[in-house]
Amino acid sequence: GAVVSQHPSWVICKSGTSVKIECRSLDFQATTMFWYRQFPKQSLMLMATSNEGSKATYEQGVEKDKFLINHASLTLSTLTVTSAHPEDSSFYICSSTGSYTFGSGTRLTVV
Amino acid sequence: SQQGEEDPQALSIQEGENATMNCSYKTSINNLQWYRQNSGRGLVHLILIRSNEREKHSGRLRVTLDTSKKSSSLLITASRAADTASYFCATVQGGKLIFGQGTELSVKP
Repeated sequence: GAVVSQHPSWVICKSGTSVKIECRSLDFQATTMFWYRQFPKQSLMLMATSNEGSKATYEQGVEKDKFLINHASLTLSTLTVTSAHPEDSSFYICSSTGSYTFGSGTRLTVV
Repeated sequence: SQQGEEDPQALSIQEGENATMNCSYKTSINNLQWYRQNSGRGLVHLILIRSNEREKHSGRLRVTLDTSKKSSSLLITASRAADTASYFCATVQGGKLIFGQGTELSVKP
């Protein structure tokens, strides 16, 4: 079946640095990907939809300059958290839009 | 918020008992899905029920859908400690997969 590979699974970074999270569709082509953020004990909140070859669509309240999304190929979508701060610490997870397949998630801790 | 509501928010039961979780949503749907998430892990797709279906089974899972009430339920029968996880319903709204608040299920051995 469809597999989405997400890396890294966890990352600790210093405040002010940027972190890139990758999601790859391994055996299918994903023209769009959903990116979610999940705080402890809460549900998944959709942040944005990445579109291959065009700009991502961001949800209301999500800073597009802070959460840079790139979908340069049919198999790779990336989320870069720029100038990360402790409040950005969260669980980030991607999903292909067609197959309802999720990556394993990335635990980001900003110290 | 576009998110639906789930209840209960937390449920603690003994192994062997049945667990029922409910989900309500706000818009018209083509289908509703249930997912499972173990602590700090990714999501596992459990079951999809279409809007023209009223009930669907998969192993120990039974899902119902009432489109007139915009609600769905997930029943896990003969629960096991390994069923301990968070369970979320999700619907597609405007092409986006939107999740409910989730139910945290704890099954005690």
